[in-house]
Amino acid sequence: EADIYQTPRYLVIGTGKKITLECSQTMGHDKMYWYQQDPGMELHLIHYSYGVNSTEKGDLSSESTVSRIRTEHFPLTLESARPSHTSQYLCASSSRGRTDTQYFGPGTRLTVL
Amino acid sequence: AQSVTQLDSQVPVFEEAPVELRCNYSSSVSVYLFWYVQYPNQGLQLLLKYLSGSTLVKGINGFEAEFNKSQTSFHLRKPSVHISDTAEYFCAVRNQAGTALIFGKGTTLSVSS
Repeated sequence: EADIYQTPRYLVIGTGKKITLECSQTMGHDKMYWYQQDPGMELHLIHYSYGVNSTEKGDLSSESTVSRIRTEHFPLTLESARPSHTSQYLCASSSRGRTDTQYFGPGTRLTVL
Repeated sequence: AQSVTQLDSQVPVFEEAPVELRCNYSSSVSVYLFWYVQYPNQGLQLLLKYLSGSTLVKGINGFEAEFNKSQTSFHLRKPSVHISDTAEYFCAVRNQAGTALIFGKGTTLSVSS
């Protein structure tokens, strides 16, 4: 069973606030990912990391930023939240190799008022 | 560019009936295909994956899928569904760069008694 955690699970916040969504995994995976999922829609990759100090932007443009200082930790930050950021954010991880399975966390549902 | 099309947005079925959720993909390179399930307010859980070898792939919870290269399809099947199978199902293909997954828009499976 995958051990990947996200906090908070739900967050309601006002416009202009700075927020950080936490993601941690205990599997020792090198690769980590952030996906954004709007209701009834597919997931879109917004950030990924191949290891410590490695981060890349995904296919979907996002105003968020990420960091990877520790292997197990991959937080996502929004400096100034806006209503357009309202969405579900899913974190995933996988080990090395092109065929490795991605394991997903439970997600954070963000609502910006 | 790679893409995934899930042909049915909603599939209502009665308990103990068979079900097929359809998925077509487009890719010009070797494909790695996945089916994930998402229960309400949870993250994605891997059902099964096709990497190579046998075109019939068996997964968890009695699901199976068949990779058909000529029809570029990867349909998910279950011979007899339960109420607990009610969920959102996502088909995905690994992108060419191997950096992430490309998801379909999902199929909502609703099982009623």
